[in-house]
Amino acid sequence: TQLLEQSPQFLSIQEGENLTVYCNSSSVFSSLQWYRQEPGEGPVLLVTVVTGGEVKKLKRLTFQFGDARKDSSLHITAAQPGDTGLYLCAGASGSARQLTFGSGTQLTVLP
Amino acid sequence: GAVVSQHPSWVICKSGTSVKIECRSLDFQATTMFWYRQFPKQSLMLMATSNEGSKATYEQGVEKDKFLINHASLTLSTLTVTSAHPEDSSFYICSAGEGARGEETQYFGPGTRLLVL
Repeated sequence: TQLLEQSPQFLSIQEGENLTVYCNSSSVFSSLQWYRQEPGEGPVLLVTVVTGGEVKKLKRLTFQFGDARKDSSLHITAAQPGDTGLYLCAGASGSARQLTFGSGTQLTVLP
Repeated sequence: GAVVSQHPSWVICKSGTSVKIECRSLDFQATTMFWYRQFPKQSLMLMATSNEGSKATYEQGVEKDKFLINHASLTLSTLTVTSAHPEDSSFYICSAGEGARGEETQYFGPGTRLLVL
């Protein structure tokens, strides 16, 4: 069974601070996706990383895929209240369509 | 990106009744869709894989007779919670993949909140 551990589980910070969320596994993934979910809604895809060592930037969000494709991180610069939500990483293996989800990080950015 | 819809978005029912939830891929075809269950402030738990034209594949611990899945077309999968009880109350989310196999991106529906009284 593949497991994805996310940390921290909960994070509450002030507006303007930086933060990093980690997603770790002992398994290798062919790709890894990051989602953000708001209460009462489905997860919304933020980014997909495929290549080991890949770094992708989406405005104030920076995503990195580990060289061995076993881990990933999400870094948010100058967090804003609108960044509040549940952040989920999810890994895909080979040609399998099934995703393995991390445990989630509940982020609260206080104004 | 691709759009996945779910209907209904909210359902409240009495214990013992059955509830059907629909998941549709609006602008693409999906031979495989996934059904998840989510409890408050927790991650998604995969319940089953819905396969068009064949039987669904259920995860360990998920009762197939309790959660009936039908994937009759390339754009529609349904999840029926049979004889629902209060412990079945949860947020149910479906997803569908778009893209070539091995390069798919999963798109999620907006979820269905089920409350069983």
